[in-house]
Amino acid sequence: DVKVTQSSRYLVKRTGEKVFLECVQDMDHENMFWYRQDPGLGLRLIYFSYDVKMKEKGDIPEGYSVSREKKERFSLILESASTNQTSMYLCASMDRGGREAFFGQGTRLTVV
Amino acid sequence: GDSVTQMEGPVTLSEEAFLTINCTYTATGYPSLFWYVQYPGEGLQLLLKATKADDKGSNKGFEATYRKETTSFHLEKGSVQVSDSAVYFCALSGGSNYKLTFGKGTLLTVNP
Repeated sequence: DVKVTQSSRYLVKRTGEKVFLECVQDMDHENMFWYRQDPGLGLRLIYFSYDVKMKEKGDIPEGYSVSREKKERFSLILESASTNQTSMYLCASMDRGGREAFFGQGTRLTVV
Repeated sequence: GDSVTQMEGPVTLSEEAFLTINCTYTATGYPSLFWYVQYPGEGLQLLLKATKADDKGSNKGFEATYRKETTSFHLEKGSVQVSDSAVYFCALSGGSNYKLTFGKGTLLTVNP
């Protein structure tokens, strides 16, 4: 069974903390993505990576960074968490040809 | 750039009614097309996909046909159940780039 696994389902952090969201896939996919989902705003792309150590900004990269040191793992980093980063975060992976794409279960992050 | 337009919700149906959720896309090249379903508090689950023109994706009674001439990928189900209540997202990949591009989602509520 294919799997994209996010490290936490629920996370509560304080303003100013550095936050790490981890995502691991076991499908040997080249492409990985981080989205955030907010009511009324749909899915918004934060960053994506098409290869190890490669990354590209999505639509809303401000306040975030990413790391992809190994093919199977893509980390999203909130350098200094703020309350407006309270959201549902979704990780996805996709094969090189764009023919299959799967999501993790999501991380509900609350910044207080 | 690539884009996906899907019918705005919410859609409310009675159990056993016929469902159609419209989806049209704009993309260069030969994208793959997907429908995802999201239940409350969960990540996105791949419902079905089609990777070339005239392909029909199907799963759990849902169907969608990749129509290149009308750039559409409408989701249909002949008889919906209460358990089908969820948000449905149409998406594409592999158009002008290898990002996943999503529609805004359609909330479906099925009443008994």
